[in-house]
Amino acid sequence: QKEVEQNSGPLSVPEGAIASLNCTYSDRGSQSFFWYRQYSGKSPELIMFIYSNGDKEDGRFTAQLNKASQYVSLLIRDSQPSDSATYLCAVYTGANSKLTFGKGITLSVRP
Amino acid sequence: DAGITQSPRHKVTETGTPVTLRCHQTENHRYMYWYRQDPGHGLRLIHYSYGVKDTDKGEVSDGYSVSRSKTEDFLLTLESATSSQTSVYFCAISERGQVGGKVRGSSYNEQFFGPGTRLTVL
Repeated sequence: QKEVEQNSGPLSVPEGAIASLNCTYSDRGSQSFFWYRQYSGKSPELIMFIYSNGDKEDGRFTAQLNKASQYVSLLIRDSQPSDSATYLCAVYTGANSKLTFGKGITLSVRP
Repeated sequence: DAGITQSPRHKVTETGTPVTLRCHQTENHRYMYWYRQDPGHGLRLIHYSYGVKDTDKGEVSDGYSVSRSKTEDFLLTLESATSSQTSVYFCAISERGQVGGKVRGSSYNEQFFGPGTRLTVL
């Protein structure tokens, strides 16, 4: 069973801080990795994807991938109250064109 | 936003009745998926389609069937709804491919989600 695990939450950080969200996966053959943001009552929205080891930056977001340790993380710099949402980690293993999702972690940014 | 719509957006039905949810896309994407999302379980794949008339089961397919007669529409049917099928249902689409080892297009298998359908089975 391919698994994707995310830290149990919720995570609370003050406004302006760095929020660090982590995700581990079990299948070493995993090829690409995604972070989705989901606001309450809304659908998941893709915010980052990464497929090579190292860091990928997009504005205040940085995705980090370490395939040897089988983890992927999302850093949110200068956290804003508008970043308060549930963040879903998803992994593509190349099998049957499917993504496997973690259960998500809820981030709360307090003003 | 990717052109994905779901209908209905909300539905309340009774145990034992058949229910059909529709997903419609205007992106001409090859792959379509149905998920359910429940507290404590995250997103779980019900069924997916990799082309017209080509479908396969996901991890929670019992009690559900699907059909895809044309590229833009993917239907999810609950043959006889049960209270355990009360959930939020999301459709997703993807245009991906690994043909000869190369990934087509600029995407790397990401999926785009519709707005969701909240289904309550009483």
